[in-house]
Amino acid sequence: AQTVTQSQPEMSVQEAETVTLSCTYDTSESNYYLFWYKQPPSRQMILVIRQEAYKQQNATENRFSVNFQKAAKSFSLKISDSQLGDTAMYFCALIGQGGSEKLVFGKGTKLTVNP
Amino acid sequence: NAGVTQTPKFRVLKTGQSMTLLCAQDMNHEYMYWYRQDPGMGLRLIHYSVGEGTTAKGEVPDGYNVSRLKKQNFLLGLESAAPSQTSVYFCASRISGRAGKDTQYFGPGTRLTVL
Repeated sequence: AQTVTQSQPEMSVQEAETVTLSCTYDTSESNYYLFWYKQPPSRQMILVIRQEAYKQQNATENRFSVNFQKAAKSFSLKISDSQLGDTAMYFCALIGQGGSEKLVFGKGTKLTVNP
Repeated sequence: NAGVTQTPKFRVLKTGQSMTLLCAQDMNHEYMYWYRQDPGMGLRLIHYSVGEGTTAKGEVPDGYNVSRLKKQNFLLGLESAAPSQTSVYFCASRISGRAGKDTQYFGPGTRLTVL
């Protein structure tokens, strides 16, 4: 079975500062994708960043970057220069490259960026 | 190009009533999915389809039926709604094959309340 755990239900950060959201996972598959999704109050699911486990280099997308530690099964999201628009729920998710179509989500971290 | 659309956006039902949620995508994607999101939880897979005329069960299929008569549409039905089915429902789609697993495109969600 695949599991995704987000241990921080809520976090807050001051505007322009840096914050890191934690995610750990478990899977028996040898290759898989990891994702961070953002869900603002509008409810839309927005893909923030993705990482293929096969690739060792950490993914980056502008102010968003990940720290992927495959051996530790850890996939944290770092948000630099936090902006008010970053306020949202953030979900970590995993899908195996095998036959399963199941995209497994963590329970989410509610991030609030304070002015 | 509308992406993934969902109809309706909101709905209130009484226990025992039936309804159908419609998901439509204009990206010619083979794979389509229905998820539900409950408070404090990430998304959980209800049913999915890997092509026109095919459907398969996900993690939480009980109480729901689906149909994929046309490639662009994926319908989720509730035959006899129960309060436990109060949730936000998301549809998603992606291209076929293992390469397509790196991106699912999500609709805006449908908030369903069953009284």
